[in-house]
Amino acid sequence: NAGVMQNPRHLVRRRGQEARLRCSPMKGHSHVYWYRQLPEEGLKFMVYLQKENIIDESGMPKERFSAEFPKEGPSILRIQQVVRGDSAAYFCASSFASESYEQYFGPGTRLTVT
Amino acid sequence: ILNVEQSPQSLHVQEGDSTNFTCSFPSSNFYALHWYRWETAKSPEALFVMTLNGDEKKKGRISATLNTKEGYSYLYIKGSQPEDSATYLCASQTGANNLFFGTGTRLTVIP
Repeated sequence: NAGVMQNPRHLVRRRGQEARLRCSPMKGHSHVYWYRQLPEEGLKFMVYLQKENIIDESGMPKERFSAEFPKEGPSILRIQQVVRGDSAAYFCASSFASESYEQYFGPGTRLTVT
Repeated sequence: ILNVEQSPQSLHVQEGDSTNFTCSFPSSNFYALHWYRWETAKSPEALFVMTLNGDEKKKGRISATLNTKEGYSYLYIKGSQPEDSATYLCASQTGANNLFFGTGTRLTVIP
């Protein structure tokens, strides 16, 4: 059973470009969470999705960031018009159910904005 | 936003020593407390999820306790080995589904 997959592992974008980060949850998991780790900081929650629904996006910046988890295919975190401050490691986690179940993390995507 | 604090920030121990570190979290709206082990360049690995006051969980040489009334959890490692070197993260889960992480305790076990 493959774990949570994220790609790409490293992504370099120039200021103003778009970044698309993909996350494939573990098989059988329908809950996906995105976290961001800024340099020298801990993991911070961004958004929680179930298939085709955003459940909680309270940690997501209001502008330029969006997330989706379609019926088929991976979850996508999209950052439009990236700025240097978006440089961070973005982690995706999945769980079978939300209540008291472990969230299994992917290896992360390290985004560098030049 | 919850304030989850971990101490110490980093720790060096000799191989064979036992050690412990602390996670403190707000006790209001508590739902669950998660511990993760995070090795450099790898994914955080789930160790324990605890929900009940007084809960104790064990996995090999690693164990954890939970006090929800006073808002703290301890992680213990017995007979530390070099392969235990990692960052140990705790995260508090409220009635919502997201996790609020501490900044971790970085453990280095010296052979």
